[in-house]
Amino acid sequence: AQTVTQSQPEMSVQEAETVTLSCTYDTSENNYYLFWYKQPPSRQMILVIRQEAYKQQNATENRFSVNFQKAAKSFSLKISDSQLGDTAMYFCAFMKGQGAQKLVFGQGTRLTINP
Amino acid sequence: DGGITQSPKYLFRKEGQNVTLSCEQNLNHDAMYWYRQDPGQGLRLIYYSQIVNDFQKGDIAEGYSVSREKKESFPLTVTSAQKNPTAFYLCASSKQNMNTEAFFGQGTRLTVV
Repeated sequence: AQTVTQSQPEMSVQEAETVTLSCTYDTSENNYYLFWYKQPPSRQMILVIRQEAYKQQNATENRFSVNFQKAAKSFSLKISDSQLGDTAMYFCAFMKGQGAQKLVFGQGTRLTINP
Repeated sequence: DGGITQSPKYLFRKEGQNVTLSCEQNLNHDAMYWYRQDPGQGLRLIYYSQIVNDFQKGDIAEGYSVSREKKESFPLTVTSAQKNPTAFYLCASSKQNMNTEAFFGQGTRLTVV
């Protein structure tokens, strides 16, 4: 079974700083997808960024980028120029490329951006 | 507007009673999912359905039941057999391949007293 681990329960940074959230996963699959979801205080889950395991290039979405290290099974999220609106729970998630299409989530990291 | 709707937002029930949480989507998605969220444990999969009239157990299906009679609807029943039902429940839907994006509802907070 696949597992996803987020080792940082809480993080806090000042506005405009850069912050990196860690995520590791365990799988024997070679074809899979990785995601970062954001859950603000409204509790609405929002997709931040996704990465296909077969792509070596790290995904980027505006201020959000990932560092995908397939051999190390690591998938960290970097938020540049952090904003107050980035305050949220962040979940790392894994999905197999074939078979049952379901997301496996990590425990989450609570990120607070301070003014 | 297309989206996924969960109702109600807050639900209170007495211990021993069954309760059904509603989830409706108008995105024409084939797949639908129910997750449970508890503090410090992330989201855990209860049930999922990839097509009408078919569904599979997730990691924590005991004490829950679902149906998928229509493409748009995937209700979750929390039965009296669920030992610790108080939690936040999230419904999601996606195209057949979830590697695109899963859309989530706004959740239902169930409190059993």
